[in-house]
Amino acid sequence: GAVVSQHPSRVICKSGTSVKIECRSLDFQATTMFWYRQFPKKSLMLMATSNEGSKATYEQGVEKDKFLINHASLTLSTLTVTSAHPEDSSFYICSTTPGKQASYNEQFFGPGTRLTVL
Amino acid sequence: DAKTTQPTSMDCAEGRAANLPCNHSTISGNEYVYWYRQIHSQGPQYIIHGLKNNETNEMASLIITEDRKSSTLILPHATLRDTAVYYCIVRGYNYGQNFVFGPGTRLSVLP
Repeated sequence: GAVVSQHPSRVICKSGTSVKIECRSLDFQATTMFWYRQFPKKSLMLMATSNEGSKATYEQGVEKDKFLINHASLTLSTLTVTSAHPEDSSFYICSTTPGKQASYNEQFFGPGTRLTVL
Repeated sequence: DAKTTQPTSMDCAEGRAANLPCNHSTISGNEYVYWYRQIHSQGPQYIIHGLKNNETNEMASLIITEDRKSSTLILPHATLRDTAVYYCIVRGYNYGQNFVFGPGTRLSVLP
């Protein structure tokens, strides 16, 4: 299957700092990428949909000014957690679907980034 | 909200078949049934998907009832490495649609 990478895999930061998480599609172009958040023992919750060359679409309750998403190329989307606080500590996962062909309809998920805010 | 209901947890003996049920009684005609699993602290891994016919691949088999209101994922010979949370997801076929995850089934494969 397709490969999606995330960097870093794990980050620990102090409260008030900003953290950038990268999501890359390694072997295909991804017009759309999705960002999820997962708290311990909970399921994945969609945060936003990232579209190449346009503004991201955020789910209700997700602050767009706090979680900045940039999708500047067809292989890279970034999520920046600005002024992080301990309650932002979570497992952040991106996913994408190759191209726009209907046959590629399963999503491929990255390995996730575990953010710990002290 | 997720459109599926699954048991919270299941156990399975190593080497035996694991049968994971999923109810999706409100599924519409153009929606597919997808199965993913998530091993601890990793991203979800695609397993299989289907519309109305039964499907099989190297990982698993998917059995969908004729009325499409429920399905079963079958891992034919479960191993300890199959211990994970298994998510059954119903989703349309249009490009760009995200997946809505429910709580899933925590499968424990026991030695």
